[in-house]
Amino acid sequence: AQSVAQPEDQVNVAEGNPLTVKCTYSVSGNPYLFWYVQYPNRGLQFLLKYITGDNLVKGSYGFEAEFNKSQTSFHLKKPSALVSDSALYFCAVRDQKTSYDKVIFGPGTSLSVIP
Amino acid sequence: SQTIHQWPATLVQPVGSPLSLECTVEGTSNPNLYWYRQAAGRGLQLLFYSVGIGQISSEVPQNLSASRPQDRQFILSSKKLLLSDSGFYLCAWSVQGYTEAFFGQGTRLTVV
Repeated sequence: AQSVAQPEDQVNVAEGNPLTVKCTYSVSGNPYLFWYVQYPNRGLQFLLKYITGDNLVKGSYGFEAEFNKSQTSFHLKKPSALVSDSALYFCAVRDQKTSYDKVIFGPGTSLSVIP
Repeated sequence: SQTIHQWPATLVQPVGSPLSLECTVEGTSNPNLYWYRQAAGRGLQLLFYSVGIGQISSEVPQNLSASRPQDRQFILSSKKLLLSDSGFYLCAWSVQGYTEAFFGQGTRLTVV
């Protein structure tokens, strides 16, 4: 079965420090992976995606993610966290068993950047 | 550029009343359209998706229905709301293919 796990419910990091939000996946075939961010009472915003190619994907707002096939992981990273990065982060994978673009979302990780 | 509009932003409805939430997309043709519900500020549950006009598929059985009367219009409805229908409803669209989805700003529905 296709699934996405975000093992950390909450991540706290000091402003200026590097941040990592973890994601692992289980899919059959090649994975199509996404990261989204959600601010309070707002819709999700797309950050970045991995379809194929370079394992290090760069996205919006200085975020990047590293695809690791052997560890089935797609961790989100940023070299220097900002207070404004505090939000809810979702990892997602495209369900390749459907004929349409169904995306399975992880449970979300709440990121708090402490001033 | 493409934009997605979803309204209203907030809604308080009594139990047993009808519901109609509307979502429209601009700047693209023949998008995939989705309705999600987010409960307790976390997990996203896919409710409905549509790959074309009049083509609606439901992911989970529920008190809600969806319609796509025009290419870029997606409507979420209910004839009689239940307390359990409360939540944050999100509309989204994507280009057909292996691409990301773009979300509306959401509707906070409270059934009282």
